[in-house]
Amino acid sequence: DTGVSQNPRHKITKRGQNVTFRCDPISEHNRLYWYRQTLGQGPEFLTYFQNEAQLEKSRLLSDRFSAERPKGSFSTLEIQRTEQGDSAMYLCASSSRPLDRVWYGYTFGSGTRLTVV
Amino acid sequence: EDQVTQSPEALRLQEGESSSLNCSYTVSGLRGLFWYRQDPGKGPEFLFTLYSAGEEKEKERLKATLTKKESFLHITAPKPEDSATYLCAVQAGYGQNFVFGPGTRLSVLP
Repeated sequence: DTGVSQNPRHKITKRGQNVTFRCDPISEHNRLYWYRQTLGQGPEFLTYFQNEAQLEKSRLLSDRFSAERPKGSFSTLEIQRTEQGDSAMYLCASSSRPLDRVWYGYTFGSGTRLTVV
Repeated sequence: EDQVTQSPEALRLQEGESSSLNCSYTVSGLRGLFWYRQDPGKGPEFLFTLYSAGEEKEKERLKATLTKKESFLHITAPKPEDSATYLCAVQAGYGQNFVFGPGTRLSVLP
């Protein structure tokens, strides 16, 4: 078990370009989450998958954002027509179904830092 | 709307100088309160989960407590390696998402 893996670690793109990030969760975790974090702030929820089903989406997730989790394994987050305001750290997290009330929270990846120039 | 605030924004301590970080929350139907540690350039690392008022959890030099409106993270005799940003998050209602506070940036000087 190597934890949650995110690629790439850094991405610099020009405004208007499309970008795609990948997240590989812990293999036995069926729940996967995407968050966005800007400097000096806590992470903000974007979307949640249980297996391959996208069950929750934040109002922050505009039409330019799309996420997928085919076959309930890895996930991708795509941003179309990037804007400077999209510059942030994009964090992926995974978790297993909580048993009783013992839940160890999410396991986060190290994130993909996006810079839009 | 669920809200989480943390204070202070930043804290500098001398090694061995104990202190507490505060997390205040306003939520409907708290399901859990979580503390995370985040080092620069890395994702948050899970520390504690608290479910009900009066609950306490301990891990090494850290102790987390929960009341009906706030949580405290007590740091006893901190060491320089405790320097990090400490994030508080709540899970409320029926959603699966967490609402995070902005964090407290802790620096422990040798």
